Amino acid sequence: QQPVQSPQAVILREGEDAVINCSSSKALYSVHWYRQKHGEAPVFLMILLKGGEQKGHDKISASFNEKKQQSSLYLTASQLSYSGTYFCGTRMGSDKLIFGTGTRLQVFP
Amino acid sequence: DAGVIQSPRHEVTEMGQEVTLRCKPISGHNSLFWYRQTMMRGLELLIYFNNNVPIDDSGMPEDRFSAKMPNASFSTLKIQPSEPRDSAVYFCASTDQVNTEAFFGQGTRLTVV
Repeated sequence: QQPVQSPQAVILREGEDAVINCSSSKALYSVHWYRQKHGEAPVFLMILLKGGEQKGHDKISASFNEKKQQSSLYLTASQLSYSGTYFCGTRMGSDKLIFGTGTRLQVFP
Repeated sequence: DAGVIQSPRHEVTEMGQEVTLRCKPISGHNSLFWYRQTMMRGLELLIYFNNNVPIDDSGMPEDRFSAKMPNASFSTLKIQPSEPRDSAVYFCASTDQVNTEAFFGQGTRLTVV
């Protein structure tokens, strides 16, 4: 039931790109993306609602393929501030919000 | 609004003692979630309330865990008796509608010795 994320960990140099994937065995209504820095609470990045929808904010964007029950988070030209653990969350209607296994991203100078 | 407020921020207790974690959601939010985070299991959903009513508690690990939401502005998660394996960071989060972001509290780091 818990979404599965891949890869589990990513190491990047500043300026490099990364893709984080999230897949579910159950039908998805919406996908949430959050980032958590060490010792802090998860912080919201974006929500995707429709099949095929894409969203972007600055150099972080995401896509959602409802039919494939998958979502991907794209980080372009990574910055040191992008370091942290990324979680996808899935929610069906007003049902519970369940998070994926997490992807740890480290960006080095 | 001050955001979701959790207390205490840190709790150290001895095995067998009762532990109560508290959460004040953002005013106007009607959904509240309790999560437990560990290195091994990540962010696990323990229980979910909608309009103060527990909707799904299938994530509550054992009968030692209980949660209440007596009103829209307060919720508690109780562990009685506590065990060392309950050591984790416990987060509370709230949302106002189905398709809006969840706001997290700063968490309670629980250590059971």
